[in-house]
Amino acid sequence: NAGVMQNPRHLVRRRGQEARLRCSPMKGHSHVYWYRQLPEEGLKFMVYLQKENIIDESGMPKERFSAEFPKEGPSILRIQQVVRGDSAAYFCASSPAQFSGNTIYFGEGSWLTVV
Amino acid sequence: QQQVKQSPQSLIVQKGGISIINCAYENTAFDYFPWYQQFPGKGPALLIAIRPDVSEKKEGRFTISFNKSAKQFSLHIMDSQPGDSATYFCACSGGSNYKLTFGKGTLLTVNP
Repeated sequence: NAGVMQNPRHLVRRRGQEARLRCSPMKGHSHVYWYRQLPEEGLKFMVYLQKENIIDESGMPKERFSAEFPKEGPSILRIQQVVRGDSAAYFCASSPAQFSGNTIYFGEGSWLTVV
Repeated sequence: QQQVKQSPQSLIVQKGGISIINCAYENTAFDYFPWYQQFPGKGPALLIAIRPDVSEKKEGRFTISFNKSAKQFSLHIMDSQPGDSATYFCACSGGSNYKLTFGKGTLLTVNP
């Protein structure tokens, strides 16, 4: 009964490099959400995806960030040309249908450090 | 603009004591109010949640009190234990209902 799987758990990138974070939702879940947690902050919504569709990306920075959830394979959050301010924990969550309360489950996060 | 204000930022309680964490929100469209527990290096896990049709919900040692007119809700942890030491986040959602808005978190330390 695997939960939401995220990898890598820890990632170090130099400024200007690309970071790719992967998320495999729980079995039977077709809705994926990405949140970012900056140090000393709560989680902030970034994007909501269903298979092959971006439903809401209102929390995504306009530049350098993109997300996808292909028909096959994990959801990917991609950060191009990383800067120090991108250092954060990135959490993926999934739900079987559109989130309706207690059906959303978070992964253990991917910690990105930009040096 | 911070839509969900959580306090205190940190809290130290003796074993067996009561831990109380408060949240205030601004958006009257919010209709779901969960609390999440997060241990270091882990993702947040749903602890307990309430909807605005009730003023209190209790699950074991954890209770949510909800005041709709004041737009406030709080988490009470009775008989606090060292294993409860974690960061607690309140959150709100409503309307579209899939977007959680989190407070900044409270670091709870329960001393043995």
